[in-house]
Amino acid sequence: DAGVIQSPRHEVTEMGQEVTLRCKPISGHNSLFWYRQTMMRGLELLIYFNNNVPIDDSGMPEDRFSAKMPNASFSTLKIQPSEPRDSAVYFCASSSLSGRGDTQYFGPGTRLTVL
Amino acid sequence: RKEVEQDPGPFNVPEGATVAFNCTYSNSASQSFFWYRQDCRKEPKLLMSVYSSGNEDGRFTAQLNRASQYISLLIRDSKLSDSATYLCVVNSGGFKTIFGAGTRLFVKA
Repeated sequence: DAGVIQSPRHEVTEMGQEVTLRCKPISGHNSLFWYRQTMMRGLELLIYFNNNVPIDDSGMPEDRFSAKMPNASFSTLKIQPSEPRDSAVYFCASSSLSGRGDTQYFGPGTRLTVL
Repeated sequence: RKEVEQDPGPFNVPEGATVAFNCTYSNSASQSFFWYRQDCRKEPKLLMSVYSSGNEDGRFTAQLNRASQYISLLIRDSKLSDSATYLCVVNSGGFKTIFGAGTRLFVKA
């Protein structure tokens, strides 16, 4: 079975450019999470969706970050404009939450470098 | 105080050694607990869930102490392939799951 799919796997861009990260969750999962990981801050939850609806976006660092989930099989995380401090690995994860916290399955991540 | 705290390590142990990690959490209402493993430049993957009665999976044993609000992971007979970062994960009900910063383990021949 296909796991969580993320694209691109690597992205190098220049400061000020728009960056769009994509995620396809595991079929049948109703919750989707976007995380950011850096050496300094570890794994940070940015936003999570349940049944395509954003439930908590309190982890989104600034208005430059936005996320959408137009349907159950696709989500995007957009950064506009990007800054060097946005450089990190961005993970998407999905789960079939039952309200008690189920296993989250992570995608391979997108390694973002902003020059 | 962080919601989930771990000793970052690194723990450097020889093959065959037994090593234990602890993790403390601040929310007494936390309901679900997990250990994830993350290899270098890879995504986190579930290692095992942690149950109130404790649970074992081969060389790995997880324990939960609700009174003291900590969970532990014990690895027996360490293998080179156990080298990774181990993430403590706590869920307080609903959708919010908190990941610890991780404990790095290096197993040497």
